Amino acid sequence: DTEVTQTPKHLVMGMTNKKSLKCEQHMGHRAMYWYKQKAKKPPELMFVYSYEKLSINESVPSRFSPECPNSSLLNLHLHALQPEDSALYLCASSPDRANTEAFFGQGTRLTVV
Amino acid sequence: GESVGLHLPTLSVQEGDNSIINCAYSNSASDYFIWYKQESGKGPQFIIDIRSNMDKRQGQRVTVLLNKTVKHLSLQIAATQPGDSAVYFCAENMSGGYNKLIFGAGTRLAVHP
Repeated sequence: DTEVTQTPKHLVMGMTNKKSLKCEQHMGHRAMYWYKQKAKKPPELMFVYSYEKLSINESVPSRFSPECPNSSLLNLHLHALQPEDSALYLCASSPDRANTEAFFGQGTRLTVV
Repeated sequence: GESVGLHLPTLSVQEGDNSIINCAYSNSASDYFIWYKQESGKGPQFIIDIRSNMDKRQGQRVTVLLNKTVKHLSLQIAATQPGDSAVYFCAENMSGGYNKLIFGAGTRLAVHP
């Protein structure tokens, strides 16, 4: 199983809503990532978790709150987003060592209205 | 041919021809590189990787070349097929401890019959 599963596939939310994006992998990977991708742009790193601990926060606004409840799950909690936060949110995972392939999920297409 | 402008650079090739996609990376200390393929509406898909102690690596129909002197990567696709049409991203690992993959701008490959 080399799958990273993200839910939901599509999400529309208002600026006052609270929602969560979910990511799951069963490859035994101990590093998990959130990326944000705008149209016609490359993915941009947001957060890195290593062994369920937050290792990297790329100066992401606090309206995005990541959570890693266990080694298989990664959540991204969203609150008070802006329309410019509309994007494809990608989750990825990789083994616990550096310089190894990162597997990506299919992403959640988020629209903030 | 190749075009650069407000949109993603696009490489147009005829089916059966070889394709060469280029990428300039930013950090001379990066020690691991990956090429990803991204089809419309999907997450990035691993194609091939290379470590900085190598200058060439071959896969099935694909070859990656690394020139550390000028910080340049290329992806060669042999006998390009319509199914190869996608956006291709190079990514460099900028952290020695775990994967902090930073993506290049991307190139759209359009294969014409």
